[in-house]
Amino acid sequence: EIVLTQSPGTLSLSPGERATLSCRASQSVGSSYLAWYQQKPGLAPRLLIYGAFSRATGIPDRFSGSGSGTDFTLTISRLEPEDFAVYYCQQYGWSPFTFGLGTKLEIK
Amino acid sequence: EVQLLESGGGLVQPGGSLRLSCAASGFTLRSYAMSWVRQAPGRGLEWVSGISSRGLNTYYADSVKGRFTISRDNSNDTLYLQMNSLRAEDAALYYCVKGADSWNIDFFDYWGQGTLLTVSS
Repeated sequence: EIVLTQSPGTLSLSPGERATLSCRASQSVGSSYLAWYQQKPGLAPRLLIYGAFSRATGIPDRFSGSGSGTDFTLTISRLEPEDFAVYYCQQYGWSPFTFGLGTKLEIK
Repeated sequence: EVQLLESGGGLVQPGGSLRLSCAASGFTLRSYAMSWVRQAPGRGLEWVSGISSRGLNTYYADSVKGRFTISRDNSNDTLYLQMNSLRAEDAALYYCVKGADSWNIDFFDYWGQGTLLTVSS
């Protein structure tokens, strides 16, 4: 099973700042089979990024993904108030299709 | 508009069984792989099981293998999860999720709102 380690566990930033979230896989997830999701309290997760760097439909361009192999990054260029949430990475290269434990992005 | 409506959750005793359903609309269910993802209260996401578009391939997390069975009825636009030998650790909100591909499990572009399973005596 591929284990995804997300860091930091909690990130405290202010609106307007840049956020950098990390996701490291215990082995290569193949040809960038890595997705990012955003979850707000009481709501279902929402797809942000797939294929490591492709934005899902309707996702603002302040969200960007990068990386390959075992190291991936989600960057939010300038935080908006609605961006404060929990972010999960997920690999879909190998079954079981695992998620990371999440990074909570909170307002400083 | 894509909609995924889960049902079937509830309270069940340890060792019991339950079947979850997911009614899909707004897209052609038979064209996409589907999965179930669960989230225990206050915890992260856990992929549980997936099934290819025509049901020929099924996949399971080790934690549920041999106890859960995923299936689908494309003629009725419905996804199922049969859960047997339930344990306390299976208690969670179960999401029905749509894959972006027909054959591979892939990433999940649409999520339902979830149905809650409680396992307790």
